[in-house]
Amino acid sequence: DTGVSQDPRHKITKRGQNVTFRCDPISEHNRLYWYRQTLGQGPEFLTYFQNEAQLEKSRLLSDRFSAERPKGSFSTLEIQRTEQGDSAMYLCASTASRVGADTQYFGPGTRLTVL
Amino acid sequence: DAKTTQPNSMESNEEEPVHLPCNHSTISGTDYIHWYRQLPSQGPEYVIHGLTSNVNNRMASLAIAEDRKSSTLILHRATLRDAAVYYCILRSAAGGYQKVTFGTGTKLQVIP
Repeated sequence: DTGVSQDPRHKITKRGQNVTFRCDPISEHNRLYWYRQTLGQGPEFLTYFQNEAQLEKSRLLSDRFSAERPKGSFSTLEIQRTEQGDSAMYLCASTASRVGADTQYFGPGTRLTVL
Repeated sequence: DAKTTQPNSMESNEEEPVHLPCNHSTISGTDYIHWYRQLPSQGPEYVIHGLTSNVNNRMASLAIAEDRKSSTLILHRATLRDAAVYYCILRSAAGGYQKVTFGTGTKLQVIP
């Protein structure tokens, strides 16, 4: 499968624990995005990488959240001291640099439940 | 970001055509119109995009109004697998990075 993959698909954790999610984009895509989606809402932008550089972070991304993309390949999203409000689907998408017409390819998401 | 407006939900009978509308009255001349859909428990998937002319692909057709202030996604024969949330979004061709802003989309129910 050459699509975007995410791991794990589901994560249940207790409040206060740290969690880390991984995204493997399509190999030739240099742009990578993280989104968060809660029930009944569309995906909300969290952060964006071009190669290994994190170029934008949403105000939704509090200081408990950190994302990395070492070497411009896979990316990780870490949430420290999780809260119940962090429960959501975390989506990763990648795209090649084709402005305006660039198609975002999404992974299946990681569903986080914080108890 | 230029905004789009879609109905919250629509219904269609199986094997009938479906027309999903989207209003984008503040669209700029360099904005592309993209459609994505999200099946239950999956990430969004690309459906189609266009700039000015109508577009067809194996999944759907996109009809763009002459003034570009609205567009319609057309599924020619709805199947049960088309039941999903459909998002209409705008992407600028102006250059540089662009954040993608999704609204709440249109939830399509297909009735057998």
